[in-house]
Amino acid sequence: SQTIHQWPATLVQPVGSPLSLECTVEGTSNPNLYWYRQAAGRGLQLLFYSVGIGQISSEVPQNLSASRPQDRQFILSSKKLLLSDSGFYLCAWSRANTEAFFGQGTRLTVV
Amino acid sequence: GESVGLHLPTLSVQEGDNSIINCAYSNSASDYFIWYKQESGKGPQFIIDIRSNMDKRQGQRVTVLLNKTVKHLSLQIAATQPGDSAVYFCAEDYRLYNFNKFYFGSGTKLNVKP
Repeated sequence: SQTIHQWPATLVQPVGSPLSLECTVEGTSNPNLYWYRQAAGRGLQLLFYSVGIGQISSEVPQNLSASRPQDRQFILSSKKLLLSDSGFYLCAWSRANTEAFFGQGTRLTVV
Repeated sequence: GESVGLHLPTLSVQEGDNSIINCAYSNSASDYFIWYKQESGKGPQFIIDIRSNMDKRQGQRVTVLLNKTVKHLSLQIAATQPGDSAVYFCAEDYRLYNFNKFYFGSGTKLNVKP
C-alpha cells in the first residue's frame, strides 16, 4: 500500500531563518506531488505541484520554493522566512486521474 | 485557482440526525468534485467524489449531489455520529492529461452533539 510521510510535524522558526520541509511517498512510482498551505480556519491553497523529477510548477507568487530531487521526494524551502509564512503545510500525492492523498501536515510558526 | 466556496462555515447537528454540507463553485470546467474530511491537526482524507456528468453518487452513509445548473454541490451524511465531527472541504479536480489539479473551498466545520 502507499504511504506518505511528512516531517517535522511541528516547527517554530525565527523570522529570516531558512526552511526545509520534506515529504516522501512510498509504495508507488512517478506520483504527482503537491504542496498546499492552510492558514488557520481556512481552506487549502495550492502552492506547488510536480509531475516528475525536477519539474516544479508554482501556483502563486511567494517566498517559498519547491524541489523534487528524487521521484518520491518533494521538498518545500525558503531562504528567509516571513511571519506570513506561518501555517499548516500539507504534502499530497496522486496518480493520474485519481484523488489526492495527504500527509499529516507540518505546523509552521514563524516568530 | 478557481473559486470554490461554502455556504456555512459551521454546522451543529444532533447525533443520529442527518447532516447536509453545501458548497458553491464558480467554474464549470472541472472534471470531478471531491469531498474531504479533515480532523483537527491532521491532513484531509478523501470521502467521496463525483464526476461532473453525474448528479448523484452514494457511498457508505454519505451521498453527494451535484447541481450543475446552479453550480452547487452538497454532502449528505446519514445518521451523523460523533466521529463525523471535523472540517469538510469540497474540491474541484481538474484533470489535465495525466495530472490533476485540486482547488479547495474554505471548509465547513461539523459539530456533532451527543
